[in-house]
Amino acid sequence: KQEVTQIPAALSVPEGENLVLNCSFTDSAIYNLQWFRQDPGKGLTSLLLIQSSQREQTSGRLNASLDKSSGRSTLYIAASQPGDSATYLCAVRAGGYQKVTFGIGTKLQVIP
Amino acid sequence: EADIYQTPRYLVIGTGKKITLECSQTMGHDKMYWYQQDPGMELHLIHYSYGVNSTEKGDLSSESTVSRIRTEHFPLTLESARPSHTSQYLCASSAEGARNEQFFGPGTRLTVL
Repeated sequence: KQEVTQIPAALSVPEGENLVLNCSFTDSAIYNLQWFRQDPGKGLTSLLLIQSSQREQTSGRLNASLDKSSGRSTLYIAASQPGDSATYLCAVRAGGYQKVTFGIGTKLQVIP
Repeated sequence: EADIYQTPRYLVIGTGKKITLECSQTMGHDKMYWYQQDPGMELHLIHYSYGVNSTEKGDLSSESTVSRIRTEHFPLTLESARPSHTSQYLCASSAEGARNEQFFGPGTRLTVL
């Protein structure tokens, strides 16, 4: 059974700092990994999707990397801003019917 | 603009009422999903559909039912709401193919008194 763990559970940083969020998964036979952002009481916004054959994806100040062999992905946020404050979730798609397993998320607070 | 919509956004209802949560997407996606999420907890898949007239139960046992009569529409129904159904319900869709990126609606916050 795929398990997805995100560390840390919560993170508070001053504005402007670069930061890294971690996601680990137990079954490396994945199709893809997707990073989402969730604001309180809202749905999930897709940030980046990395296919199993890819090593990284970039969008603006965000960079996500994937190391399938070690079962890890990182989300790098450059020059953090207060508007980046949200919960960040990673989701791994794997298995026979391509089931998606979510982590619980990392709650990020960027302090002005 | 291609998007995914959920209504209502918030619903407070009494025990025993029948409710339907609506989900529609304009992206032409074949795959649609319903997730349940409690505060601070992970998302749990409760139903999914790979196309018209296709519905399956997810990992988390749910007393809700779904239907998929049209590609763009995937409503979820609770025949008799109970306080244990209080939660956030999130609808998502994805396209066929290798990329299979999921897109989510804004969610419905359900409170059953």
